[in-house]
Amino acid sequence: ETGVTQSPTHLIKTRGQQVTLRCSSQSGHNTVSWYQQALGQGPQFIFQYYREEENGRGNFPPRFSGLQFPNYSSELNVNALELDDSALYLCASSAGAGGPLGETQYFGPGTRLLVL
Amino acid sequence: RKEVEQDPGPFNVPEGATVAFNCTYSNSASQSFFWYRQDCRKEPKLLMSVYSSGNEDGRFTAQLNRASQYISLLIRDSKLSDSATYLCVVNSGGSYIPTFGRGTSLIVHP
Repeated sequence: ETGVTQSPTHLIKTRGQQVTLRCSSQSGHNTVSWYQQALGQGPQFIFQYYREEENGRGNFPPRFSGLQFPNYSSELNVNALELDDSALYLCASSAGAGGPLGETQYFGPGTRLLVL
Repeated sequence: RKEVEQDPGPFNVPEGATVAFNCTYSNSASQSFFWYRQDCRKEPKLLMSVYSSGNEDGRFTAQLNRASQYISLLIRDSKLSDSATYLCVVNSGGSYIPTFGRGTSLIVHP
């Protein structure tokens, strides 16, 4: 076990709804990255938070937003859900400054989101 | 051309076989390279980093070829437990945006 937890484990929503996914980072880690993994694809980087600030963003629209809290846990919010948002959402925590690959990333088990 | 490309496989090999995967990347400014392993319906886990000089960890050897812009993973003496999807990750430039390949599926059979 990596010590990274995510909730909920599964979620079903309908088009147009909003969703919030949560991630608790491993103890001592101050960086959280979020990924979207569609079936049969590799994870795609959404964004990273380092010490409560966004520290990098992938090619995702603004309806994907996030937060990091003082205890370094994090939320991913997706507004106006679309069918293509159905995927496994992974968060990964790491220690150290910035750069998600500057330190080893430890992934949580993910949240499976289905949009109908 | 995709930024990071992998042959999705599956590679179907018997126990004890040696198998190699390649991963090509398009951005010549890429700086960091990694191999992750992902079991079915599980999260990715770091297998090894890939250094310019190459590196070895037991039965696993990773190499980087900057001239041809690819990284490789060699698995010797395959075990049933090696069955998984192997994801390569490339970090391009100073923006620290990691790009995952789609993964290569390996099936090791008795």
